Amino acid sequence: GAGVSQSPSNKVTEKGKDVELRCDPISGHTALYWYRQRLGQGLEFLIYFQGNSAPDKSGLPSDRFSAERTGESVSTLTIQRTQQEDSAVYLCASSSTTGREETQYFGPGTRLLVL
Amino acid sequence: GDSVTQMEGPVTLSEEAFLTINCTYTATGYPSLFWYVQYPGEGLQLLLKATKADDKGSNKGFEATYRKETTSFHLEKGSVQVSDSAVYFCALSDTGRRALTFGSGTRLQVQP
Repeated sequence: GAGVSQSPSNKVTEKGKDVELRCDPISGHTALYWYRQRLGQGLEFLIYFQGNSAPDKSGLPSDRFSAERTGESVSTLTIQRTQQEDSAVYLCASSSTTGREETQYFGPGTRLLVL
Repeated sequence: GDSVTQMEGPVTLSEEAFLTINCTYTATGYPSLFWYVQYPGEGLQLLLKATKADDKGSNKGFEATYRKETTSFHLEKGSVQVSDSAVYFCALSDTGRRALTFGSGTRLQVQP
């Protein structure tokens, strides 16, 4: 079936505005992850969903960041009052189970630029 | 906490050269180890993985062996091609934690 999709692919916003990033996981995948990739750096974990609940939010950098998942499918990452340091590529991944051996499949990412 | 350390890039090689990208890790449990690749303009793709000590992951001519004694998972390929030019990320998934911990990535440039 289709892979992980994300929208928008690119987003330019002004400092202080709110943004919403969307992720559509692979159909049937129960686990969903959000990561952030700053320019020239590795991926930083943000949050993980099992079904519609988020047992691990330890990577969210501040209370300006929040995420939800509905219907054990689509997830939205919201950044309020964006700052320039929020500029990054935001990647979503999904997996069919949650064991440590399970492969995570990544979407193409949303490139966010905060001016 | 968990961490992954990769060799700094860029790594520049001529076509048909031997490739090694070093990766070492620290983990509190019994991690699975992964190599992901990001080709220019594309998303992150799984290249290979190994889930326990002494396992060897392989794909597209690339290999990596899970070495618990040296906490390493070095990526190797015997003869690189121009099409292998990409950024390679080493990552681990530890016992009881679902998130992947990534290294900073190594850019490989293969010249004809």
